[in-house]
Amino acid sequence: RKEVEQDPGPFNVPEGATVAFNCTYSNSASQSFFWYRQDCRKEPKLLMSVYSSGNEDGRFTAQLNRASQYISLLIRDSKLSDSATYLCVVKYENNDMRFGAGTRLTVKP
Amino acid sequence: DVKVTQSSRYLVKRTGEKVFLECVQDMDHENMFWYRQDPGLGLRLIYFSYDVKMKEKGDIPEGYSVSREKKERFSLILESASTNQTSMYLCASTRDRPTEAFFGQGTRLTVV
Repeated sequence: RKEVEQDPGPFNVPEGATVAFNCTYSNSASQSFFWYRQDCRKEPKLLMSVYSSGNEDGRFTAQLNRASQYISLLIRDSKLSDSATYLCVVKYENNDMRFGAGTRLTVKP
Repeated sequence: DVKVTQSSRYLVKRTGEKVFLECVQDMDHENMFWYRQDPGLGLRLIYFSYDVKMKEKGDIPEGYSVSREKKERFSLILESASTNQTSMYLCASTRDRPTEAFFGQGTRLTVV
């Protein structure tokens, strides 16, 4: 079983839609959590950190449930520019860092 | 501007060759990583290093070795390249706290 699992998608949604991505992790020693965004043929870049209390950055909301070992990302009012692959990332106390396989999102006009 | 630089964007090597992929970061980061990315499999950790001369195996270290002689440089070595090592290789670096990882632009390696 992979340490970090994501629904690979693809998710195809119309502009303005709300879309949610889920991620589960298997190692309870996971310390910190992130969502990265990767555009086609580009390197991954940090979208947002995920805090225990949940956090919001504009149209993006990230949530963490440590008991269920589950992370989510919600995107409201989707834009064409949100089309990308979204990667769930867990980081351990020893600084080891593992990625999910990514969820591909396409936002259509 | 922070920077992680990989030595090549594209590389074509022959089966059996020894291949060196170099990564340099200018942010004085403690941790450096090598991943490979394949369609449907995402980023898989090969090795990471938390200090000079220190390394830890990731999920798929077989067929690879690494070297970190200086803090800013982390090298990935394919001892004897095989066709199943054709992939996109990504280097990353982070500080010693839960902060952002910065990636190089990637090296697309083709082994023929």
